[in-house]
Amino acid sequence: AQSVTQLGSHVSVSEGALVLLRCNYSSSVPPYLFWYVQYPNQGLQLLLKYTTGATLVKGINGFEAEFKKSETSFHLTKPSAHMSDAAEYFCAVSRGSGSARQLTFGSGTQLTVLP
Amino acid sequence: GAVVSQHPSWVICKSGTSVKIECRSLDFQATTMFWYRQFPKQSLMLMATSNEGSKATYEQGVEKDKFLINHASLTLSTLTVTSAHPEDSSFYICSAWAGDTDTQYFGPGTRLTVL
Repeated sequence: AQSVTQLGSHVSVSEGALVLLRCNYSSSVPPYLFWYVQYPNQGLQLLLKYTTGATLVKGINGFEAEFKKSETSFHLTKPSAHMSDAAEYFCAVSRGSGSARQLTFGSGTQLTVLP
Repeated sequence: GAVVSQHPSWVICKSGTSVKIECRSLDFQATTMFWYRQFPKQSLMLMATSNEGSKATYEQGVEKDKFLINHASLTLSTLTVTSAHPEDSSFYICSAWAGDTDTQYFGPGTRLTVL
């Protein structure tokens, strides 16, 4: 069984400050991990993903995440928040392989960026 | 690339009627598509996995006779909510699996309101 825990349902940061969104996972097999962003009334957009190889993954919009197996974590960071980063962020872990790869999502973190 | 569309983006219907939602992969072929449901302020819950040319696989607790899924081509999957009731009101999101990038791409979602 696989699960994802996102610590903090709401995170507020000032514009220009560091963004840190926490994600811990549980997986019985080597995980594939994902971060998605959702703007109001829209679908999900992939920010970045970890499959194998380099543990520091860079994504779009200046975001990056580091896979830490010893801590079962995949936290999302961005050095300097922008107002346009305000959205809901979901961490996900996949099960299955190839076309059967199903995603299990965390409960989400609402990021607010203060001016 | 890797664009997924959904139609309609929102629909309002009367209780007891059926509603069909389309999910299309616009620039790639998807042997597998997924249907999710999202309640307000909550995460995405996988409803079913749709496989081209075969029956869908439903998650536990999802009524297959109520949520009919058809994946007739490599670019189209449909979800039909039969005999809809107010409790079926939700945000329905589909995703399509792209084999070349081994990534799920999400549609913009369909807001269903049942009166």
